[in-house]
Amino acid sequence: GQQVMQIPQYQHVQEGEDFTTYCNSSTTLSNIQWYKQRPGGHPVFLIQLVKSGEVKKQKRLTFQFGEAKKNSSLHITATQTTDVGTYFCWSSGNTGKLIFGQGTTLQVKP
Amino acid sequence: SAVISQKPSRDICQRGTSLTIQCQVDSQVTMMFWYRQQPGQSLTLIATANQGSEATYESGFVIDKFPISRPNLTFSTLTVSNMSPEDSSIYLCSVLVGSGELFFGEGSRLTVL
Repeated sequence: GQQVMQIPQYQHVQEGEDFTTYCNSSTTLSNIQWYKQRPGGHPVFLIQLVKSGEVKKQKRLTFQFGEAKKNSSLHITATQTTDVGTYFCWSSGNTGKLIFGQGTTLQVKP
Repeated sequence: SAVISQKPSRDICQRGTSLTIQCQVDSQVTMMFWYRQQPGQSLTLIATANQGSEATYESGFVIDKFPISRPNLTFSTLTVSNMSPEDSSIYLCSVLVGSGELFFGEGSRLTVL
């Protein structure tokens, strides 16, 4: 079945370093969304990407959707301790099936 | 946007019992979902709660184990039946709003002894 693979599973960085997580699909995605889940919290919507090659920025966060609409990335510049959490990609795929990536857990050392 | 009230927030239950989780939304929504999240894991879709009809279950989840009600467009319940320790998890309800965003309840942390 359709899967969305997300890597890495964990990332430990020093505060101020950059961080990137990637989502890859075996099939074309109609759109992709990114969510952040703080420890002990619930997922919160960050952004939605729809167009091929789309790039969106939110302050230190940069989101990209691949040209083939099969992959996406979230990049954080100069991480801060407030960035700690698990980042998930989510897509409805091209079959309407709702799929979450496995998540990347980010730890930031002050 | 949508504000979701989910309860209980946590519970400790005995093996063999059942627990019903409630999800109340502050606005009418068409698409409502129930997810399970085990510690350190991603979210797994249990089912789509359909208003006025039977829920649509994902592979590996069945109605007898996870009966779902959706009497109207603002409310749903998920029951975890005949619980075992393997059912210990966080259960989250979620709604899809018109902009395409998912909003989540705070989650119900279930521990089965």
